[in-house]
Amino acid sequence: AQSVTQLGSHVSVSEGALVLLRCNYSSSVPPYLFWYVQYPNQGLQLLLKYTTGATLVKGINGFEAEFKKSETSFHLTKPSAHMSDAAEYFCAVSRAHGGSQGNLIFGKGTKLSVKP
Amino acid sequence: DAGITQSPRHKVTETGTPVTLRCHQTENHRYMYWYRQDPGHGLRLIHYSYGVKDTDKGEVSDGYSVSRSKTEDFLLTLESATSSQTSVYFCAISVQGLGYTFGSGTRLTVV
Repeated sequence: AQSVTQLGSHVSVSEGALVLLRCNYSSSVPPYLFWYVQYPNQGLQLLLKYTTGATLVKGINGFEAEFKKSETSFHLTKPSAHMSDAAEYFCAVSRAHGGSQGNLIFGKGTKLSVKP
Repeated sequence: DAGITQSPRHKVTETGTPVTLRCHQTENHRYMYWYRQDPGHGLRLIHYSYGVKDTDKGEVSDGYSVSRSKTEDFLLTLESATSSQTSVYFCAISVQGLGYTFGSGTRLTVV
C-alpha cells in the first residue's frame, strides 16, 4: 500500500530564510508525486508535480522539489520565504492517472509559518 | 480553470438527517473523487468514480454513498449524518497531464 509521511506538522521560518518541507513516500511502483498548498479557508492549489523525466521539478511561487528514488523522498524547497508563503502544504502520491490506481494518497500536512 | 463547483459551500445539519453534497464539472472529465479533510489527518478518500454509474469505495467510505448519473455531476450522500462526519469535503477531478484539480470545498457541521 502507498503511504506518505510529512515530517513536522508545523514549521516556522523567518522571512528570507530557506524553506524546507519534508516528504517521504512508500510505493511499490514508480510514483506520481505532488505538492499542494492550502491557504486558510480555501481549497487546494497544485504547486508542482513529478510524473516522469527530470527529477528536479519547478513549481509556482518559486518552489521546487526533487524526486530522490533511493531515499523515497520528495522534499519541497524555496530559497527565500515570503510572508505570503504562510499556509498548509500537503504532499501526495498516486500510482497512475485516474482509475483505482490514480487515487491520491495524502500526507497529514505541514503548516508553514513565516516570521517577519 | 477546470470548472469544478461544489454546493453548498456551508451546511449545518442535525444528527440523523440525510445530506447530499454536489460536485459539478463542466469539462467532461472521466475521473472524479470525494475527499474529506480533518485536522491532523490530511485528506482522505471517501469514494471515487471512473465514469457514469461506475463508482468505488475509498479509505473512509462507511456512512457515505455516491451516485454519478451524468458525467458532470458526482453526488455524495450521508444517509444519516453523525457528528463524526463534521468535516470539510472536497471534490476533485483528474486531468491527464495536469494532475488533480480540487473544488473549493463544502464545510459540513453536524449538530
